[in-house]
Amino acid sequence: DIVMTQSPLSLPVTPGEPASISCKSSQSLMYSNGYNYLEWYLQKPGQSPQLLIYLVSSRASGVPDRFSGSGSGTDFTLKISRVEAEDVGVYYCMQVLQIPYTFGQGTKLEIK
Amino acid sequence: QVQLQESGPGLVKPSQTLSLTCSVSGGSISNGDYYWSWIRQPAGKGLEWIGRIHTSGGTAYNPSLKSRVTISVETSSNQFSLKLGSVTAADTAVYYCARERPNSVVIPPVIEVDYWGQGTLVTVSS
Repeated sequence: DIVMTQSPLSLPVTPGEPASISCKSSQSLMYSNGYNYLEWYLQKPGQSPQLLIYLVSSRASGVPDRFSGSGSGTDFTLKISRVEAEDVGVYYCMQVLQIPYTFGQGTKLEIK
Repeated sequence: QVQLQESGPGLVKPSQTLSLTCSVSGGSISNGDYYWSWIRQPAGKGLEWIGRIHTSGGTAYNPSLKSRVTISVETSSNQFSLKLGSVTAADTAVYYCARERPNSVVIPPVIEVDYWGQGTLVTVSS
């Protein structure tokens, strides 16, 4: 299985400030087509996870442009340019390159 | 708007079989190129992909659970189901049903988990 490792696990952020989450995979997530099969999900308190980003940097429908993703191979980053109160929750990276799909441990973002 | 809803016993005894059903509304489970999945989350822990079934009936399971898992679909009732046998306390978790959508913006398509149920807590205890 591909192991996904996130850091930090806890992220207190002041509203309006940027935030960054790292995700590393135990093997490359790049397919032979040159794309990396890496996604980001946000689980807001009391809710089910929701897709934020697919293929490293493509935002899902309705996701604000303050969310951006980058990276390639085994190292990936999710950035929030200016954190808002509604961004609190647990962020997960997920690899969809091979079955079984696997998730990072989650990063809990909270407002200072 | 597609909606998914899990149902089933909230308490299962050790060594017994956990059985859950996911009811799909807002669209036919047999239409389209989708996968219908189960994902679980133990309390305070991360997410674990259990397995899925395609609209065509093909299945894929997490190897760590494969010997104990069966996912099936009941098209007449627009539902799909999870059975997990020989459960232990380690199987206590919130179980989510979900839809995986292949996005053909790339080839092979990238899978997006675009709809989730609200989740149901299953506790394994005597």
